Amino acid sequence: DQQVKQNSPSLSVQEGRISILNCDYTNSMFDYFLWYKKYPAEGPTFLISISSIKDKNEDGRFTVFLNKSAKHLSLHIVPSQPGDSAVYFCAASGGATNKLIFGTGTLLAVQP
Amino acid sequence: GAGVSQSPSNKVTEKGKDVELRCDPISGHTALYWYRQSLGQGLEFLIYFQGNSAPDKSGLPSDRFSAERTGGSVSTLTIQRTQQEDSAVYLCASSPAGQGGTGELFFGEGSRLTVL
Repeated sequence: DQQVKQNSPSLSVQEGRISILNCDYTNSMFDYFLWYKKYPAEGPTFLISISSIKDKNEDGRFTVFLNKSAKHLSLHIVPSQPGDSAVYFCAASGGATNKLIFGTGTLLAVQP
Repeated sequence: GAGVSQSPSNKVTEKGKDVELRCDPISGHTALYWYRQSLGQGLEFLIYFQGNSAPDKSGLPSDRFSAERTGGSVSTLTIQRTQQEDSAVYLCASSPAGQGGTGELFFGEGSRLTVL
């Protein structure tokens, strides 16, 4: 039962263009969503988050959009840089627990 | 150091042996999580400790897996009678009080377990 899904295992974009990473969830109790970035042989690091009371949160080149009716969120990176190449994980939490449920990740490759 | 520290970084063991993985969280963080990432998979939740509350063990895949947290700080994840499907990177994360699900988790670099 995969409650958080990232259906694209990989994505390749050109430097300077927009990267859009998508995430879908099934649990309507989720009320907080986060994106993490992971480089090889390192632990994931927090990137950006959004509460269910918002539909957009922006931090520099990174913007997260939340569509609650569709149970869908996306991460936009613009402009994309080669250093953004990493695995991006979507995560969600909510209800009675603080535990984060992660998606399977999307490998982003930004080509110079 | 200031970050989450995990040991060993790599562990190779034979099927049927027991292993212990250690996590030193960031000082003062009351929440501690264990996740694992199998090859080609996402981050699978295993167990969550919050202060003195009973841990959330709902993610442990079998009774061969157990974890404890001593003195509200260091945690040990134990896998008994290891199987090949236990091979994965085991990640520990900590978080300040009450922010586990609404704030960021700070992850260690993980312990890579290979069961032959």
